[in-house]
Amino acid sequence: DAKTTQPPSMDCAEGRAANLPCNHSTISGNEYVYWYRQIHSQGPQYIIHGLKNNETNEMASLIITEDRKSSTLILPHATLRDTAVYYCILPYNTDKLIFGTGTRLQVFP
Amino acid sequence: DSGVTQTPKHLITATGQRVTLRCSPRSGDLSVYWYQQSLDQGLQFLIQYYNGEERAKGNILERFSAQQFPDLHSELNLSSLELGDSALYFCASSVARTGIDTGELFFGEGSRLTVL
Repeated sequence: DAKTTQPPSMDCAEGRAANLPCNHSTISGNEYVYWYRQIHSQGPQYIIHGLKNNETNEMASLIITEDRKSSTLILPHATLRDTAVYYCILPYNTDKLIFGTGTRLQVFP
Repeated sequence: DSGVTQTPKHLITATGQRVTLRCSPRSGDLSVYWYQQSLDQGLQFLIQYYNGEERAKGNILERFSAQQFPDLHSELNLSSLELGDSALYFCASSVARTGIDTGELFFGEGSRLTVL
């Protein structure tokens, strides 16, 4: 069963912020939200994760709503190299890490 | 470089054959995950091992099997290959075991299998 919902695709102009939403309304209290991306056919790459507080690293920012039912990954200044499929993931308690279909982000010049 | 090594990078074989894909996890990582990605499809979770023991299974076919050895490297065995088994096979590793927080997964560059 999919635990996250993401839009299938989004466009973003180069240099602008890309805001990628994810709904996870059934998230449990101790469940982290992870974001990964996959550029073309490369191995997926970890971006960021969080539990309750907003997080920022050199790649992106993660905003988690107070009720934790949704989150937004923000790429502050998107570049063409950020064109990829972005996955929002909640690890299962059974040790599975299921990737959904993600959001295909297209950054255009 | 994620630190996860997968071999071979490319493999072409015929239907009915058997192949073995190998994964060396990052130094210190005890968990190994295998994923299958067919053309333009999402990542399909196959199986996870932690410190030599199977921890979770996804939609892995009976023709497929895997194991993790004492030195923590893992092998995915695919037998009686069919055309539909053509895909990218990714291995990932992490330090953590539990599903509450798996920790960051580090993916290899994948093994591209073509079945003719």
